Amino acid sequence: DTEVTQTPKHLVMGMTNKKSLKCEQHMGHRAMYWYKQKAKKPPELMFVYSYEKLSINESVPSRFSPECPNSSLLNLHLHALQPEDSALYLCASSPPPGTSQGKNEQFFGPGTRLTVL
Amino acid sequence: KNQVEQSPQSLIILEGKNCTLQCNYTVSPFSNLRWYKQDTGRGPVSLTIMTFSENTKSNGRYTATLDADTKQSSLHITASQLSDSASYICVVSANTGNQFYFGTGTSLTVIP
Repeated sequence: DTEVTQTPKHLVMGMTNKKSLKCEQHMGHRAMYWYKQKAKKPPELMFVYSYEKLSINESVPSRFSPECPNSSLLNLHLHALQPEDSALYLCASSPPPGTSQGKNEQFFGPGTRLTVL
Repeated sequence: KNQVEQSPQSLIILEGKNCTLQCNYTVSPFSNLRWYKQDTGRGPVSLTIMTFSENTKSNGRYTATLDADTKQSSLHITASQLSDSASYICVVSANTGNQFYFGTGTSLTVIP
């Protein structure tokens, strides 16, 4: 299995809802990432998990709560979002540094299109 | 400061024509450079990846070049097709762990 999967593909939620985005990979990667991407902009890094521990939080508001239950799964819990949080949310994974024949590679999932009403 | 800049910001070409996209970077220490194609509303898909010692890498009609001395890369698309319409993102990885630097992308539109 050489892909990153994300569910759901589309999500519409109200500002008072609680929802979760899910990301999964079975490539043995030990780093996983959440990105937020607005239209016609490059992805913006939100969180990085390395060996199931949160290693980078790019000053993301607390209404976004990441969780890494195991080495294959990454969740993003959403609560009390704002309309401006509407975006494409991308998950990515990469092998541990020093592996993959010396290439530090990142693999992306197809994304979840989130709309906050 | 680690940065990745791409040009042009957008490009419109006729179907069947060739085009070249540019990527300049200041990322150090350099690990590799990757070109991604991203269709609207979809995740980025890798086209090529090049390490320090690789000057050129091809993937079908896509050919990427890398000049590690000048810190420049290009992506050449040959005989463009309507399906090539997408954003092309250059991502440079630093050799310091999980650090990836994204360019702002080039939006390519191929018209019949």
